[in-house]
Amino acid sequence: NAGVTQTPKFRILKIGQSMTLQCTQDMNHNYMYWYRQDPGMGLKLIYYSVGAGITDKGEVPNGYNVSRSTTEDFPLRLELAAPSQTSVYFCASSYSFSGDEQFFGPGTRLTVL
Amino acid sequence: AQKITQTQPGMFVQEKEAVTLDCTYDTSDQSYGLFWYKQPSSGEMIFLIYQGSYDEQNATEGRYSLNFQKARKSANLVISASQLGDSAMYFCAMRESDYKLSFGAGTTVTVRA
Repeated sequence: NAGVTQTPKFRILKIGQSMTLQCTQDMNHNYMYWYRQDPGMGLKLIYYSVGAGITDKGEVPNGYNVSRSTTEDFPLRLELAAPSQTSVYFCASSYSFSGDEQFFGPGTRLTVL
Repeated sequence: AQKITQTQPGMFVQEKEAVTLDCTYDTSDQSYGLFWYKQPSSGEMIFLIYQGSYDEQNATEGRYSLNFQKARKSANLVISASQLGDSAMYFCAMRESDYKLSFGAGTTVTVRA
């Protein structure tokens, strides 16, 4: 059981470039989430999904897109990278929403220059 | 308005002593959940403890206990018998009925030998 895996671990982008952060979970969880964590701050929800084919915006969705074609995968797309998107990105999943902990991936550290 | 407030940016505690981390929350939901996560310097998010809004007993997990005072909307984390490995950032989080997890800004705990 690998849990939640994220790739890449680190990435440097130039302003205006695009990239996809990959997230996969092997726990058959319905709920998946993307967060960003700016230095010294808590996590902020970008997007979440309650099942394959269903996604919704979180607190800070601007500049990002997601898709959920399978239960296992929940990629996060940055279309036109900006320095404000420099952050650590965490993917998480949970079996249900009520009471179950969210399992987090190891994070992707993204720098936009 | 902030949903989760952690007023202590940093705390020092002597090894083997107990430490209390404050967390207050704001919600109009009747059903909600409160979580504490630990983030060591390596960056991963580690689930510690969960308290449901309808739980009558305070949650406990090993050396961690949650002092839940519903009328005051507080959910303080108590770490007993602190160890050097407890040095980390600690986040309080709340899940409301819309599936989303809101995080506080965190408290840095440093355990001194």
